[in-house]
Amino acid sequence: DVKVTQSSRYLVKRTGEKVFLECVQDMDHENMFWYRQDPGLGLRLIYFSYDVKMKEKGDIPEGYSVSREKKERFSLILESASTNQTSMYLCASSSHTGTGHSPLHFGNGTRLTVT
Amino acid sequence: AQSVTQPDIHITVSEGASLELRCNYSYGATPYLFWYVQSPGQGLQLLLKYFSGDTLVQGIKGFEAEFKRSQSSFNLRKPSVHWSDAAEYFCAVVRGGYQKVTFGTGTKLQVIP
Repeated sequence: DVKVTQSSRYLVKRTGEKVFLECVQDMDHENMFWYRQDPGLGLRLIYFSYDVKMKEKGDIPEGYSVSREKKERFSLILESASTNQTSMYLCASSSHTGTGHSPLHFGNGTRLTVT
Repeated sequence: AQSVTQPDIHITVSEGASLELRCNYSYGATPYLFWYVQSPGQGLQLLLKYFSGDTLVQGIKGFEAEFKRSQSSFNLRKPSVHWSDAAEYFCAVVRGGYQKVTFGTGTKLQVIP
């Protein structure tokens, strides 16, 4: 069974801090994704990566960056946390079939509060 | 642009009653469509998927969905709801390469005894 593990379930950070959210998957998936989930807005794609050291902006990349140095690990970085980044962050992975058939496997999420 | 609409934010059904959750998509080509479920405090889990072929697809936990191209819909159904089905349900469509997925805003299901 695919396991996607997010290192923290809850985080509380102060405005202006640099924040790292870590995600690890154990199924050798090529693709990894970071979403944020907000009530009434569903899930919105922040960044994704389709290979080591490769990254692409999603729909709402402003204020975020990512790092993928190893295939199994995908980190989301908030360079200078702001209160409007208070949200639930979900990491996901999928295998690359080239045809869009592979579903996403999600971690349990990290609830980040920025005060 | 490709998008997914879930018109119902919140639905309440009685245990044992039937359920239908609506999903409409906007996409030019044949879409790859999914339904995911999120239980409280959890990540999302795949319920079912449609890529091609038979327009009625079966999923886990007794759910099914029907793809109707003429209506641009992919509604989720279950004949008899159980209390454990209370969760939030998301419809999603794959767009572009590398499996970028657009999610709907979700429908929260409440099940009453």
